[in-house]
Amino acid sequence: DSGVTQTPKHLITATGQRVTLRCSPRSGDLSVYWYQQSLDQGLQFLIQYYNGEERAKGNILERFSAQQFPDLHSELNLSSLELGDSALYFCASSSRTGSGNTIYFGEGSWLTVV
Amino acid sequence: AQSVTQLGSHVSVSEGALVLLRCNYSSSVPPYLFWYVQYPNQGLQLLLKYTSAATLVKGINGFEAEFKKSETSFHLTKPSAHMSDAAEYFCAVSGTYGQNFVFGPGTRLSVLP
Repeated sequence: DSGVTQTPKHLITATGQRVTLRCSPRSGDLSVYWYQQSLDQGLQFLIQYYNGEERAKGNILERFSAQQFPDLHSELNLSSLELGDSALYFCASSSRTGSGNTIYFGEGSWLTVV
Repeated sequence: AQSVTQLGSHVSVSEGALVLLRCNYSSSVPPYLFWYVQYPNQGLQLLLKYTSAATLVKGINGFEAEFKKSETSFHLTKPSAHMSDAAEYFCAVSGTYGQNFVFGPGTRLSVLP
């Protein structure tokens, strides 16, 4: 158990809909990352937050957005969903202190768009 | 900017044989290097990491990796494969404080009886 909690574990929704994925980082971790994993794209970095502020942005679509709340949990919002958005979405967290910070992954949220 | 390449998207070994998974990196700053493992239907789990303390890094489950600056490599090895080692393995590189944490495309390891 990495200490990173993601909900829901599985989600099936229709095209055009909007979903929210939730992540609770490890206790004490200030940084949260979101990744998308699909068969054709591999593991893609979406976005990183640190202590409530956006720190880095990767291949995140404009239809997707995220935020990190004062209690440090994070949400990834996916809207106008398309079939190609079906993937496993991971949240990960890390602390700020220490060199070469390890990032710890949650179990992921499986999103199926039908 | 950092990048990672992993030679071989799929590697098969026999049980008891040597496991060698290759990783080469590119980094404009002294890198921190990681190997993660992903078992089916699970998240990524840290196997080991290099943070400049020692070039040979030992991780969990008998895996180790050697940092070779001259070759910009961080290959993962295990002397004797076990059936339970079958999984996807990801090499990653980052700068300090976790920024620009970049993963390679992954290598799927199959272990044959």
